[in-house]
Amino acid sequence: DAGVTQSPTHLIKTRGQHVTLRCSPISGHKSVSWYQQVLGQGPQFIFQYYEKEERGRGNFPDRFSARQFPNYSSELNVNALLLGDSALYLCASSLGFNQPQHFGDGTRLSIL
Amino acid sequence: DAKTTQPTSMDCAEGRAANLPCNHSTISGNEYVYWYRQIHSQGPQYIIHGLKNNETNEMASLIITEDRKSSTLILPHATLRDTAVYYCIVRVYTGGFKTIFGAGTRLFVKA
Repeated sequence: DAGVTQSPTHLIKTRGQHVTLRCSPISGHKSVSWYQQVLGQGPQFIFQYYEKEERGRGNFPDRFSARQFPNYSSELNVNALLLGDSALYLCASSLGFNQPQHFGDGTRLSIL
Repeated sequence: DAKTTQPTSMDCAEGRAANLPCNHSTISGNEYVYWYRQIHSQGPQYIIHGLKNNETNEMASLIITEDRKSSTLILPHATLRDTAVYYCIVRVYTGGFKTIFGAGTRLFVKA
């Protein structure tokens, strides 16, 4: 069975640009969460979606937004990119919104 | 923000049990303790979770103290492949769920 898949695996952008990251959950999983992991630190929670509704939000600015589609896949959008947005962006899926999460291997975003 | 505290690093000899402690003294009655690990350049891998009873699966055992203020993850026979950063987390419900990772414990398994 396929695990959580994320695309692209690597991405290079410049300051001020916009980026869209994509995530396909494990088949049957209805919840998707997004995390940012800066080098040397643990993942920081950004959003959780369940049944296409936002169920949790971390301490990130409004430049960060997300949505979940009817097939439960998800997109994370980041506007007006800053150098500090350079990080590994992880997506995790779970059956329900309070069940173990299974992570993809992330999208590595570099801002120049 | 993290509701858990863990040692920064630990060593373990190959074949021996690795015992990784975690303090979560402010945990609420209905909050689960989750353990994940992360090997370099990969996403975190789910290991085990529990509420108040001890749990065991094919990867590890989780021992939770009676007052639920701390727990220990046990890898019964550590191998070199178990070298990773181990995260103990508690999911916080504040109108929605927030999963807060701390810095984790870097476990080195040595031959």
